Amino acid sequence: AQTVTQSQPEMSVQEAETVTLSCTYDTSESNYYLFWYKQPPSRQMILVIRQEAYKQQNATENRFSVNFQKAAKSFSLKISDSQLGDTAMYFCAFIDFGNEKLTFGTGTRLTIIP
Amino acid sequence: DAGVTQSPTHLIKTRGQQVTLRCSPKSGHDTVSWYQQALGQGPQFIFQYYEEEERQRGNFPDRFSGHQFPNYSSELNVNALLLGDSALYLCASSPTLYARVLTFGAGSRLTVL
Repeated sequence: AQTVTQSQPEMSVQEAETVTLSCTYDTSESNYYLFWYKQPPSRQMILVIRQEAYKQQNATENRFSVNFQKAAKSFSLKISDSQLGDTAMYFCAFIDFGNEKLTFGTGTRLTIIP
Repeated sequence: DAGVTQSPTHLIKTRGQQVTLRCSPKSGHDTVSWYQQALGQGPQFIFQYYEEEERQRGNFPDRFSGHQFPNYSSELNVNALLLGDSALYLCASSPTLYARVLTFGAGSRLTVL
């Protein structure tokens, strides 16, 4: 069974600084997708970034980038120039090619301090 | 362009009762999935509907059932409610099966007393 582990329950960082959230996963599959979702207090899960496992190049979306290490089964999220609006729960998630089920980690609560 | 809409936003039930939650997918999406998010946890997959059929199911008992209508909207039904069913129920839609692009709604917060 696939599992996703987020070992940092809470993190805080000063506004404009850079922060990295960690995620590791376990799977026997070779083709899969990895995601980072953001869940603000409004509760709506918002996609931050997506990575296809077959792509060696790390995905980037503006201030958000990932460090995907397939052999180590590691998928960390880097947020540059952090903003107050980045305050939220961040979930790492996994889905493999033969499946429709997203498997989520337990989340990291990120607080951006003014 | 309306995203995924869910109703009701909050509801309170007592043990043993039944509840129905509703979801309208994003325009252009035909696949709907349901997730249960207990307090302080990540969402857990309940099931997915496509072409009005349940395509995949997570590790949830038969008390959890669903339906998809011809207009792609969906319902989640939970019978014989238990205290442990208290959670945020999230609906997600995608353009088609295997699209791997999910849009989530804001969820329905169920409290079972």
